[in-house]
Amino acid sequence: QKEVEQDPGPLSVPEGAIVSLNCTYSNSAFQYFMWYRQYSRKGPELLMYTYSSGNKEDGRFTAQVDKSSKYISLFIRDSQPSDSATYLCAMNFGNEKLTFGTGTRLTIIP
Amino acid sequence: DAGVIQSPRHEVTEMGQEVTLRCKPISGHNSLFWYRQTMMRGLELLIYFNNNVPIDDSGMPEDRFSAKMPNASFSTLKIQPSEPRDSAVYFCASSLDGQARTQYFGPGTRLLVL
Repeated sequence: QKEVEQDPGPLSVPEGAIVSLNCTYSNSAFQYFMWYRQYSRKGPELLMYTYSSGNKEDGRFTAQVDKSSKYISLFIRDSQPSDSATYLCAMNFGNEKLTFGTGTRLTIIP
Repeated sequence: DAGVIQSPRHEVTEMGQEVTLRCKPISGHNSLFWYRQTMMRGLELLIYFNNNVPIDDSGMPEDRFSAKMPNASFSTLKIQPSEPRDSAVYFCASSLDGQARTQYFGPGTRLLVL
């Protein structure tokens, strides 16, 4: 079993819809949780970063962490075609080493 | 800021050949990471350096892979001899003070071994 599981999709939603992306993990020692966005043929770029359980909001994006369930989510409100990308979750123990999910490919249909 | 620079962007080679991938981190960053991305395994950390010193190479798949960082502005990842299963996108990333949550990724090198 992988340490971090992420549904690869693909996921297609109409423009303006709310998107929900999720990851589950097995190691309860993970403390920092991140979401990266990766456009086709580009490197990943950090979208959201959270520590421990709770919610964090940044514009149209909300990251949610539930450590008791070992489950993290990223919500995108009012989705735009420019949000079409692969979204990677990542987490670590507070050190340099990140463990990534395999990514979910998202397409927003105009 | 030029960001992390990687070269070449694409590499096609034949099995058995030596492949060298290059990375220039963001100026002032003192941690450098090499990752490999495949459809099946996702993004995997191969090795990372802090202040030019290799800290953790446990992700390096086998002895055919080696990485060096001779100075703060340059690193190489070498595969010798290359095999078809090495085909992947290789990313370099850098950060300040080894903070994984502030890593900046380069554009990647797309490697195809025939």
